[in-house]
Amino acid sequence: GQNIDQPTEMTATEGAIVQINCTYQTSGFNGLFWYQQHAGEAPTFLSYNVLDGLEEKGRFSSFLSRSKGYSYLLLKELQMKDSASYLCAVIPGGYQKVTFGTGTKLQVIP
Amino acid sequence: DTGVSQDPRHKITKRGQNVTFRCDPISEHNRLYWYRQTLGQGPEFLTYFQNEAQLEKSRLLSDRFSAERPKGSFSTLEIQRTEQGDSAMYLCASSSFEADSTDTQYFGPGTRLTVL
Repeated sequence: GQNIDQPTEMTATEGAIVQINCTYQTSGFNGLFWYQQHAGEAPTFLSYNVLDGLEEKGRFSSFLSRSKGYSYLLLKELQMKDSASYLCAVIPGGYQKVTFGTGTKLQVIP
Repeated sequence: DTGVSQDPRHKITKRGQNVTFRCDPISEHNRLYWYRQTLGQGPEFLTYFQNEAQLEKSRLLSDRFSAERPKGSFSTLEIQRTEQGDSAMYLCASSSFEADSTDTQYFGPGTRLTVL
């Protein structure tokens, strides 16, 4: 089976930087997604990593290490609107479906 | 707006009743997925279609759940004889592997089901 681990909750201060980690154990690997989900809303796509390294997109960056089964999402210059759940999702090998983690609920405080 | 749409957005029903939800994917997307999400959990895969073919169905899904995508465009998810444990957000997503090699899924707003 597939296993994805993320911290359940995190708190960070407005204007600061926060790193949300995700570790995975899957049968094969074809890519990793990060989604943002505000309470009561659908997930929205943030980033996709398939090669090792850092992908930067504005205030958000995502890092992948395939050998370690590890990814992180880095949020800079935190804003109150960044308070949301952040979902890590992995595409295992072959033609298997995407598997989502349970998400990390981030609270940004003033 | 040409995103994924779902109807209805909210549904309240009594235990034992049947309910049907509709999903309209992004028009050029050939893959369509159904997920269920409960509070504090990530989306749980239910089933997915490539065009009109249902390629996979979760083993956790009871026989009370059925999905169709008759013309490879919109899809419906039906739950028969609803139970209180069916209360959840039902999410639909679509993707296009041909147009996007990452096969990124884009989600609709969801249908929130409450079974009384």
